[in-house]
Amino acid sequence: GAVVSQHPSRVICKSGTSVKIECRSLDFQATTMFWYRQFPKQSLMLMATSNEGSKATYEQGVEKDKFLINHASLTLSTLTVTSAHPEDSSFYICSASGRTSGGTDTQYFGPGTRLTVL
Amino acid sequence: GESVGLHLPTLSVQEGDNSIINCAYSNSASDYFIWYKQESGKGPQFIIDIRSNMDKRQGQRVTVLLNKTVKHLSLQIAATQPGDSAVYFCAERLGGADGLTFGKGTHLIIQP
Repeated sequence: GAVVSQHPSRVICKSGTSVKIECRSLDFQATTMFWYRQFPKQSLMLMATSNEGSKATYEQGVEKDKFLINHASLTLSTLTVTSAHPEDSSFYICSASGRTSGGTDTQYFGPGTRLTVL
Repeated sequence: GESVGLHLPTLSVQEGDNSIINCAYSNSASDYFIWYKQESGKGPQFIIDIRSNMDKRQGQRVTVLLNKTVKHLSLQIAATQPGDSAVYFCAERLGGADGLTFGKGTHLIIQP
């Protein structure tokens, strides 16, 4: 299957600071990338959808000014959590969709980033 | 047997037995369905997918069944192994460019 990486895998920051998370598709071009958030023992919730070169589309209830998404190339999308607060602590997971070597267009997920805001 | 916990339903099976994990999806217009496996602290791992014009699809040791009449999806795992222990999520997609809507998840526990 296709490989998606995320960096960093874990980050701890102080309240009020901003954190940037990178998502990369390593062996295919991702026409679309998605960002999800997962709280402990809960399911994944879609936050936003981003297409390369265009503005992200945010799900209802997700603040676009707080969660800045940039999809500058077909292999890289970034999520920046601005002015982070303890309630933003969560597991952030990206996925990428595009034509892989197998010819499928399913979503492949990254390993996730654990954000802890103190 | 299957039980509902505070957050995730749990399914406990004996090693070597077959496992069946069920999922009710929400949107009758969804065109694509996927099963993911998630181990603790990791991202979801693709298992198998099925499109809405099919009712069954088989992979290696896994089978997905789709019943559109009652909006039900199931994942069958044959000869369950200890490495199959994880949380399993079904996910549905409304259209080609859309994100996924995930089900609540089922925690599969393998008894030795």
